[in-house]
Amino acid sequence: SQTIHQWPATLVQPVGSPLSLECTVEGTSNPNLYWYRQAAGRGLQLLFYSVGIGQISSEVPQNLSASRPQDRQFILSSKKLLLSDSGFYLCAWGSQEGYEQYFGPGTRLTVT
Amino acid sequence: AQKVTQAQTEISVVEKEDVTLDCVYETRDTTYYLFWYKQPPSGELVFLIRRNSFDEQNEISGRYSWNFQKSTSSFNFTITASQVVDSAVYFCALSEAHDYGGSQGNLIFGKGTKLSVKP
Repeated sequence: SQTIHQWPATLVQPVGSPLSLECTVEGTSNPNLYWYRQAAGRGLQLLFYSVGIGQISSEVPQNLSASRPQDRQFILSSKKLLLSDSGFYLCAWGSQEGYEQYFGPGTRLTVT
Repeated sequence: AQKVTQAQTEISVVEKEDVTLDCVYETRDTTYYLFWYKQPPSGELVFLIRRNSFDEQNEISGRYSWNFQKSTSSFNFTITASQVVDSAVYFCALSEAHDYGGSQGNLIFGKGTKLSVKP
C-alpha cells in the first residue's frame, strides 16, 4: 500500500531564516505531487505541483520554491521566511491515471 | 471558471442526529470529478469519496451517503446518526478532466464546513 511521509511535524522558525520541508511517498511510482498551505481559517491553497522529476509548476507567486530531486521526493523551500509563511503545509500525491489525491500528515510552521 | 462553494461554515449537532453538508460547484467542463475529504483535529486530510460527472448514482457507505445532482450542480454529503468521532472539517473539491492552462487534475477545494458533534 502507498504511504506518504512529511517532516518535520512542527517547526518554529524566526523571520529571515531558511526553510526546508520534505515529503516522500512509498508504494507507488511516478506520482503527481502537490504542496498545499492551509492558513488560519481553513482554506487550502495549492502552492506547487509536479508531474515528474524536475518538473515544477507554481500556482501562486510567493516566497517559496519547490523541487523534486527524485521520483517520490518533493521538497518545499524558502531562503528567507516571512511572518506570512506561517501555516499548515500539506503534501499530497495522486496517480497519473486517477484524480483523487492522498495527503500526508502535514507540517505546522510558525514563523516568529 | 471552476469554483466550489460550501455555504455552511460551521454546523453543530447532537450525537445521533442526521446532518447534511452542502456543496455547490461551478465548472466549464462536461467531464469532471467531485470529492469529499475529512480533516479531523489531527490535521491530515482523509479522502472519503470520488464521484464522476457521468455517474449520478447516489452512494452509501455505512452512515455516510452522497447525493449528486448535476441539474443543481450539487454534491451533498449526509451523515446519518452522527457520532462524536465525526467532528471534523469537511471539504468538497472539484477536478476537471481537461487541461485548461495546465490545471488538469488539480483539485479546487471549497472553504470547508466545520462539523461539531456533541455528546
